[in-house]
Amino acid sequence: DSGVTQTPKHLITATGQRVTLRCSPRSGDLSVYWYQQSLDQGLQFLIQYYNGEERAKGNILERFSAQQFPDLHSELNLSSLELGDSALYFCASSALGGRDYGYTFGSGTRLTVV
Amino acid sequence: AQKITQTQPGMFVQEKEAVTLDCTYDTSDPSYGLFWYKQPSSGEMIFLIYQGSYDQQNATEGRYSLNFQKARKSANLVISASQLGDSAMYFCAMRPLDRGSTLGRLYFGRGTQLTVWP
Repeated sequence: DSGVTQTPKHLITATGQRVTLRCSPRSGDLSVYWYQQSLDQGLQFLIQYYNGEERAKGNILERFSAQQFPDLHSELNLSSLELGDSALYFCASSALGGRDYGYTFGSGTRLTVV
Repeated sequence: AQKITQTQPGMFVQEKEAVTLDCTYDTSDPSYGLFWYKQPSSGEMIFLIYQGSYDQQNATEGRYSLNFQKARKSANLVISASQLGDSAMYFCAMRPLDRGSTLGRLYFGRGTQLTVWP
């Protein structure tokens, strides 16, 4: 167990639907990052939150949104789903500011859009 | 802009042999960290090793070592005494350490699929 919890592990849904992916960071980590991994795009950074505030935004579609709650867990909302949104979605956490800190990744949510 | 290049889509190595996975990077940031991650077929991302751009010595973690050549902007991963369980996708990543709002995010290469055969 890495300490970062992602739920659900697998999700199958139809095009046009909306889903919510959840992430609980490792204890003490204030920063949460979302990544999308697909075969054609590789690992794409979506968005970063630090202590409840959006810190950086990457290649996140307008149909996607995220937030980090006061208890530091984060949710990634994906709406109007398309077949191309099928991917492995990772959440990671880190202690922002530590020069030698890497990420701790969750085990991912595998989303399949049919 | 940051760019990580892994030129080897796939590598094969026999068990107990050493293997080097290549990684080059491009950045204008004066201070950065370099990471290697392993992703087995089960999908999780496993941290292997870290090298800071300010570190004078190459990082080592058990059977993993990082051959850091700053002037050439390369950060190759060396796995010694390969084991069957090393078969996985390996990702090189970089993190700028001194940049404002992007502090913390990782930039990934496309990965190298390593297969260890008996």
